[in-house]
Amino acid sequence: DAGITQSPRYKITETGRQVTLMCHQTWSHSYMFWYRQDLGHGLRLIYYSAAADITDKGEVPDGYVVSRSKTENFPLTLESATRSQTSVYFCASSRGEIQPQHFGDGTRLSIL
Amino acid sequence: AQSVAQPEDQVNVAEGNPLTVKCTYSVSGNPYLFWYVQYPNRGLQFLLKYITGDNLVKGSYGFEAEFNKSQTSFHLKKPSALVSDSALYFCAVRPPYNNNDMRFGAGTRLTVKP
Repeated sequence: DAGITQSPRYKITETGRQVTLMCHQTWSHSYMFWYRQDLGHGLRLIYYSAAADITDKGEVPDGYVVSRSKTENFPLTLESATRSQTSVYFCASSRGEIQPQHFGDGTRLSIL
Repeated sequence: AQSVAQPEDQVNVAEGNPLTVKCTYSVSGNPYLFWYVQYPNRGLQFLLKYITGDNLVKGSYGFEAEFNKSQTSFHLKKPSALVSDSALYFCAVRPPYNNNDMRFGAGTRLTVKP
């Protein structure tokens, strides 16, 4: 029961660099989500996907790009990292619109 | 747009005492409401949800929550707290018409003391 895995768990990079965070789920869930968690803000939705090749913006999409060519993978790319994108990033999946979301253990990203 | 508020950053209770973690929301129409728990260095874990029906919802680990439409609240409760319940708790709300728009509260840190 692998569930949902995120990699890397920790990443340090510099401003202006491109970085990709990986998310893989083994349940064949239709829906996948990317959130960022910052103190005082809880979790904020960056992007979500209802199925392969279908993605949509969330509350804070600027500076991020996603793709979903396969149901099980949902990578998040920061095309040109900025310090304000230092955060903990969580990927989640669910099998239906009103079903609970299952979260990975997060990627702690620091941008220097 | 909808929003959710958790008015307490921190809740402290003694083991064996009842606990309440508060949540209020603002959303157009009938909301879908969720509670999640987060342990250190881990992702969020689902506790319970309210979609429709009985206002008292029972969830995992002995937790329950009461949906109160008139007060727009969805408080999390447990009759007898355990030290192992110490964690960060998040309330979340989304409108029934948009799976895209889940909003989380800022979180409440629950500490249960022996």
